[in-house]
Amino acid sequence: GQQVMQIPQYQHVQEGEDFTTYCNSSTTLSNIQWYKQRPGGHPVFLIQLVKSGEVKKQKRLTFQFGEAKKNSSLHITATQTTDVGTYFCAGPGGSNYKLTFGKGTLLTVNP
Amino acid sequence: NAGVTQTPKFRILKIGQSMTLQCAQDMNHNYMYWYRQDPGMGLKLIYYSVGAGITDKGEVPNGYNVSRSTTEDFPLRLELAAPSQTSVYFCASSYPDRNYGYTFGSGTRLTVV
Repeated sequence: GQQVMQIPQYQHVQEGEDFTTYCNSSTTLSNIQWYKQRPGGHPVFLIQLVKSGEVKKQKRLTFQFGEAKKNSSLHITATQTTDVGTYFCAGPGGSNYKLTFGKGTLLTVNP
Repeated sequence: NAGVTQTPKFRILKIGQSMTLQCAQDMNHNYMYWYRQDPGMGLKLIYYSVGAGITDKGEVPNGYNVSRSTTEDFPLRLELAAPSQTSVYFCASSYPDRNYGYTFGSGTRLTVV
């Protein structure tokens, strides 16, 4: 079945440094979604990318969808302590309403 | 508008006991899902439903059952609990329009001893 892989598994940064997490799918995706989960919390939807090569920004967060629609990235500029959490990518697994999640990247930020 | 409500938040079960995890949403979402999350393993789909009366298995359905008698409620039943079912369980819902993503409940932390 479809697999969604994320790297790195963990990333520790100093506050103010940039952070990037990468997501790769074994199959071409119709869309990709990104979620954030704070420690002890639940996943919260951040954004969906649909078009090949799409780039979307949310303040300091930049999301990209690869040209082949098999990979995606999330880049955070000048991290803050509020960015701490696990970032998941997810792609449709066999149907558009059923998501397969990557294992996530845990970001910790040293103030 | 409460979103997705899960109860209980925490539960300890003994091996062989049964329980129902409750999930309710008030957003009139057609689609509902149950995921389990184990440390470092991401989210695994247990069961999902595309509407009242319709349910289907996900990636890890063994040991669980679901029902969907109304649009709002999607309970998850654990029969004969086993230590391997120790996990955090998340219920989620979504609208047919893909742009909204999933709305997750706050989760149920279950320990089987």
